[in-house]
Amino acid sequence: GAGVSQSPSNKVTEKGKDVELRCDPISGHTALYWYRQSLGQGLEFLIYFQGNSAPDKSGLPSDRFSAERTGGSVSTLTIQRTQQEDSAVYLCASSLIGSNEKLFFGSGTQLSVL
Amino acid sequence: GDSVTQMEGPVTLSEEAFLTINCTYTATGYPSLFWYVQYPGEGLQLLLKATKADDKGSNKGFEATYRKETTSFHLEKGSVQVSDSAVYFCALSESAARQLTFGSGTQLTVLP
Repeated sequence: GAGVSQSPSNKVTEKGKDVELRCDPISGHTALYWYRQSLGQGLEFLIYFQGNSAPDKSGLPSDRFSAERTGGSVSTLTIQRTQQEDSAVYLCASSLIGSNEKLFFGSGTQLSVL
Repeated sequence: GDSVTQMEGPVTLSEEAFLTINCTYTATGYPSLFWYVQYPGEGLQLLLKATKADDKGSNKGFEATYRKETTSFHLEKGSVQVSDSAVYFCALSESAARQLTFGSGTQLTVLP
């Protein structure tokens, strides 16, 4: 597609449920990033992929969070046993290899945990 | 660790007013500096960048100068338009890092 696509755009879930968030990067972009934006906060880095491998997972806040990427393209961020503090906008971005200085962002998934 | 501090918003200006959004940073090395903008309903997009001290990034009438001595990268525009209403994020990237570190964002509203 023309840009980074994220789905769903909105997700409401109950505390304790698992959720999956999807990111479809720009074709040809080998680098993929997940960020989290909480109300009134900046963008919090979660994880970075180069191809299908994740050399930097340092931002994942707990072992309830995991992510994978397949075929060097689509990525899925999974949150298990969601908590209310997980409520945030989850943003995905992609870039060309070696060009982490220009990220292309999706519109995000607004996650609300009730 | 690296960090970025932006002036708190929201900022409300009248059309054609002068804009400054302050940004200061803390980094261990010599980072590249960026301003990203998020228009309503859209994803973040790169507005401008500067990769070394004294560089000036510019785009769409916006400018920011990389000031190493004051560790700052303030965003300026001489005459804002209603269409500039958006959230502005300052960010940095260490040369060897794979991620950008972002500030908390500044909401700008320009009134006609």
